[in-house]
Amino acid sequence: GENVEQHPSTLSVQEGDSAVIKCTYSDSASNYFPWYKQELGKRPQLIIDIRSNVGEKKDQRIAVTLNKTAKHFSLHITETQPEDSAVYFCAASYSGNTGKLIFGQGTTLQVKP
Amino acid sequence: SAVISQKPSRDICQRGTSLTIQCQVDSQVTMMFWYRQQPGQSLTLIATANQGSEATYESGFVIDKFPISRPNLTFSTLTVSNMSPEDSSIYLCSVRGQLNEKLFFGSGTQLSVL
Repeated sequence: GENVEQHPSTLSVQEGDSAVIKCTYSDSASNYFPWYKQELGKRPQLIIDIRSNVGEKKDQRIAVTLNKTAKHFSLHITETQPEDSAVYFCAASYSGNTGKLIFGQGTTLQVKP
Repeated sequence: SAVISQKPSRDICQRGTSLTIQCQVDSQVTMMFWYRQQPGQSLTLIATANQGSEATYESGFVIDKFPISRPNLTFSTLTVSNMSPEDSSIYLCSVRGQLNEKLFFGSGTQLSVL
């Protein structure tokens, strides 16, 4: 069945460094790839997304890249700050344009001051 | 984005009982979904709430255990039936807007079953 693999499961960086989280997906029909940030005790918040017809998208310190051929996509956070500390989830659409998302396992990012 | 209100925010329930969770959106949305997030885990789709018809369940989830209603475009309920401690989890309502495919989440219901 459809699957999204996310790595690493935990990531610790120094403030100001960059962080990269990678995901691979199995469904070649997937065409929408959002990223969510979840702080402790809060709901997942959409931080950036990308469609399959775009290779890269950037929003201030956050960027996402997509390689359709290899079926993987990545989240890049530059100049990390302590408030970036959270769990990050990647997701991929499946079953066509139904709005369904399958989520990766999550990455706990810790930014040390 | 739509404002999504979910209640209760948390509850502690006895084994064998049922709990109904409500999700209210402040604008009409095309699609509503229910997710489960077990402690320290990722999000798993339970079902798609279809307006005026039976929900569409994902593999591993059944209507008898998780009956869902969606009487209109802005409201849905999820019932967790005949609860056991394994049902202890966060349940999240999510919606997809009419104009785009972005998915937004409600604040969640933290359920503990004793």
